Amino acid sequence: DAGVIQSPRHEVTEMGQEVTLRCKPISGHDYLFWYRQTMMRGLELLIYFNNNVPIDDSGMPEDRFSAKMPNASFSTLKIQPSEPRDSAVYFCASRGAAGEKLFFGSGTQLSVL
Amino acid sequence: DQQVKQNSPSLSVQEGRISILNCDYTNSMFDYFLWYKKYPAEGPTFLISISSIKDKNEDGRFTVFLNKSAKHLSLHIVPSQPGDSAVYFCAASADFNKFYFGSGTKLNVKP
Repeated sequence: DAGVIQSPRHEVTEMGQEVTLRCKPISGHDYLFWYRQTMMRGLELLIYFNNNVPIDDSGMPEDRFSAKMPNASFSTLKIQPSEPRDSAVYFCASRGAAGEKLFFGSGTQLSVL
Repeated sequence: DQQVKQNSPSLSVQEGRISILNCDYTNSMFDYFLWYKKYPAEGPTFLISISSIKDKNEDGRFTVFLNKSAKHLSLHIVPSQPGDSAVYFCAASADFNKFYFGSGTKLNVKP
């Protein structure tokens, strides 16, 4: 299995621009999670989906952030408009229904100038 | 407000010695705990877990200890190897879905 695949690996954009991060979970996994890593707060859960349905988005910082999962093999995290304080590493993770371990992608390093 | 805290941002240990990484949590409802290891430019990978019904879980060189009364867990690595140099995150959950992570401890094992 290829694991959780995220794209792009690096994204540099200017303040005010729209940013879209992409994730392909492991096939057969029912849960998908979006995390953000910062030096100060570590790994923060932004939102998670079960069977493509958003279950808990209480970690999404502002209305500028949105996430979708149109099918079992694809999810996006969108920031519009982006701000410099959004600069961080964004991780996608997935897990199966019966297991408890999260499998993480390699992350997207986002820099908003 | 962080519910899981790793108060040591970094730790340096000599090869062959014991590494002890610490983690504290505030939510008494947490009943499942994980440690993840992260190398640069990679995502975190699962290392070891423990549920609240146990106070110790061992897997090879890695042992996790849980002290529920103190709301504290620790990861022991014995003996430490240079390949163990990485960032270690502890995580806690009350429902197996929402995992709260600490800010990580960077371990450096010197040859």
